[in-house]
Amino acid sequence: SAVISQKPSRDICQRGTSLTIQCQVDSQVTMMFWYRQQPGQSLTLIATANQGSEATYESGFVIDKFPISRPNLTFSTLTVSNMSPEDSSIYLCSPLTGVREQFFGPGTRLTVL
Amino acid sequence: AQKITQTQPGMFVQEKEAVTLDCTYDTSDPSYGLFWYKQPSSGEMIFLIYQGSYDQQNATEGRYSLNFQKARKSANLVISASQLGDSAMYFCAMREGLSNDYKLSFGAGTTVTVRA
Repeated sequence: SAVISQKPSRDICQRGTSLTIQCQVDSQVTMMFWYRQQPGQSLTLIATANQGSEATYESGFVIDKFPISRPNLTFSTLTVSNMSPEDSSIYLCSPLTGVREQFFGPGTRLTVL
Repeated sequence: AQKITQTQPGMFVQEKEAVTLDCTYDTSDPSYGLFWYKQPSSGEMIFLIYQGSYDQQNATEGRYSLNFQKARKSANLVISASQLGDSAMYFCAMREGLSNDYKLSFGAGTTVTVRA
């Protein structure tokens, strides 16, 4: 299985600020998914990021709020912009490494005050 | 419409006993895959097992097995010989065909508590 790391593992931020979450994979992957898990909820897909093209956002998520970068095949970032307490969640990256598997990064636990 | 349904919000199981977690799904795509994940309180998502719609046999991975009933559209996870470390949230997820860009749809999850 791929080794996936995320930074930071957790953070506490003030409302109105932005946080950039980094996701690093130890192998090249074509697609990277970013998910959000709000407290007590299931996972919701934010967007899909392919290298060299703009990310594709799911309904309810917009690029201005969650800009994503994918500079190469092993790295991606998700920024949570102009944060509010409702953005308090676990954010997880998930690279596509195979059809019969799907692994997740360790997650970034964000608290917005 | 809900694609993945997990009807058991929480379950208790005695240590060393088996537990079955229910998952039903809804898709019209003949090609799909079903995934189960474990999420302990730390928040990480641990991939447990995969079942493809065309797989001839039910998937097994150590103490985890999948009771796949295609006609009923159910993919229940069986955890045998439960251990205290199995206490966690468990999620069922589905990937539909190749036209869905490999996205996963998740169920609401089931909390499992293993009692000593």
